[in-house]
Amino acid sequence: KNEVEQSPQNLTAQEGEFITINCSYSVGISALHWLQQHPGGGIVSLFMLSSGKKKHGRLIATINIQEKHSSLHITASHPRDSAVYICAVPRRMNSGGSNYKLTFGKGTLLTVNP
Amino acid sequence: EAQVTQNPRYLITVTGKKLTVTCSQNMNHEYMSWYRQDPGLGLRQIYYSMNVEVTDKGDVPEGYKVSRKEKRNFPLILESPSPNQTSLYFCASSPHGTLAGVNEQYFGPGTRLTVT
Repeated sequence: KNEVEQSPQNLTAQEGEFITINCSYSVGISALHWLQQHPGGGIVSLFMLSSGKKKHGRLIATINIQEKHSSLHITASHPRDSAVYICAVPRRMNSGGSNYKLTFGKGTLLTVNP
Repeated sequence: EAQVTQNPRYLITVTGKKLTVTCSQNMNHEYMSWYRQDPGLGLRQIYYSMNVEVTDKGDVPEGYKVSRKEKRNFPLILESPSPNQTSLYFCASSPHGTLAGVNEQYFGPGTRLTVT
């Protein structure tokens, strides 16, 4: 079982729809990252959150640390939101140490049709 | 402009011909990392560096080398590339080495490598 599971793997929506992408993880974490990868490859960090909710424009990210679950919501989706959305969690590299590395989900391919 | 740059962006090469993919950041970040991205497998870490002269293996280091002689540069070296190293490669940096997983990550634009 992967440490980071995303669902759905693929999502097709009509412009204007409300989108939800989910991320579940099995390791204890102190923060979670949401990344966006557009066709053509570049990766951009959208959010890093450790509790509650963060909002940036039409994007909202929530996290429930106890349930080990995070969601990324897109309100009023637009074709330019079409991208792969990736969640990543830090994993401690060595027991008792303070060094972390990121473990990534496999991504959710979102296609928003006009 | 704060950024991570990679070169080349695209490369087609033949098996066994040594190559280097450069990575440079202008943000004075301590932590740098190389990832490869393959369909169905997601991003996997190849090597990382906590600071100058401090490097370590990630999850898939076989067939790769790195060096960190200066803070801004973190080249990825393929001494003898093979077709299974055909992939999309990303360099990334983060402000603090010990908090790499809990700092924002800055990614380069990616290098698409094909080994025939």
